[in-house]
Amino acid sequence: EIVLTQSPVTLSLSPGERATLSCRASQSVSRYLAWYQQKPGQAPRLLIYDASNRATGIPARFSGSGSGTDFTLTISSLEPEDFAVYYCQQRSNWLITFGQGTRLEIK
Amino acid sequence: QVQLVESGGGVVQPGTSLRLSCAASGFTLSSNGMHWVRQAPGKGLEWVAVISYDGSDIYYGDSVRGRFTISRDNSKNTLYLQMNSLRAEDTAVYYCAKDAMDVWGKGTTVTVSS
Repeated sequence: EIVLTQSPVTLSLSPGERATLSCRASQSVSRYLAWYQQKPGQAPRLLIYDASNRATGIPARFSGSGSGTDFTLTISSLEPEDFAVYYCQQRSNWLITFGQGTRLEIK
Repeated sequence: QVQLVESGGGVVQPGTSLRLSCAASGFTLSSNGMHWVRQAPGKGLEWVAVISYDGSDIYYGDSVRGRFTISRDNSKNTLYLQMNSLRAEDTAVYYCAKDAMDVWGKGTTVTVSS
C-alpha cells in the first residue's frame, strides 16, 4: 500500500496570504496525484488531478505541482471560502489511498 | 445534471449486513468505473472499493476485503455495496464517486453499534 503523508497537519493563515500544502508518497506515484477540498458536512470536491490539472470550475488561485513522491498544492491568495480540510490522493494503481489531511484554518 | 445519490444507510448491530445503493443520473453508469469511499466520524477519507465500467475489474481496501462486495446494475444505473460481518469500525459516512472522483454523492451514514 502506498502511504501518503501530508504536512503540515494544521495550517493557520489569514485571507490574502499564500498557502502551501505538501504531500509525500512512500513510493513513486508518477503524476497520479489528486487534491480534494472538504468542508464540514459536505462531500469532497476535486481540485487538482494528475498533479497539476485544475478540475472543471476550480479557480486559478489553486495550483498543483510535483511528480514521483513529492507534491504541492498552492493557493495563491486565500479567500474566506478556502478554509477547509485538504486531502491528497494517489491512484497510480487500482489500490487508491488518501493522505490524512491538512486543516487550513483562519489565523 | 450529473448526480449521485446514496441510500441504504442506517443503524445496525455488529455482525449483521447492510446493502448500500448509489443511483446515478445525468450520465451513463455503464461508461464509468465507480468507487466507494468512507469517512469515519471526525476522521479522514478512506477508499473502500472500485469497480470498472463493465465489472471486470474489482478491487478492495485492506480493511473491507472479504467482507464487502461492490457491484453494479447498469440497466438500473445503480451501484451497490454489500456489507457483511459489520464491525464498529465500519461506522462512517459512505460516499459513491464517479471514476475520476470528479462527482460525489452526498453520502449515507452507517452506524454499527450494539
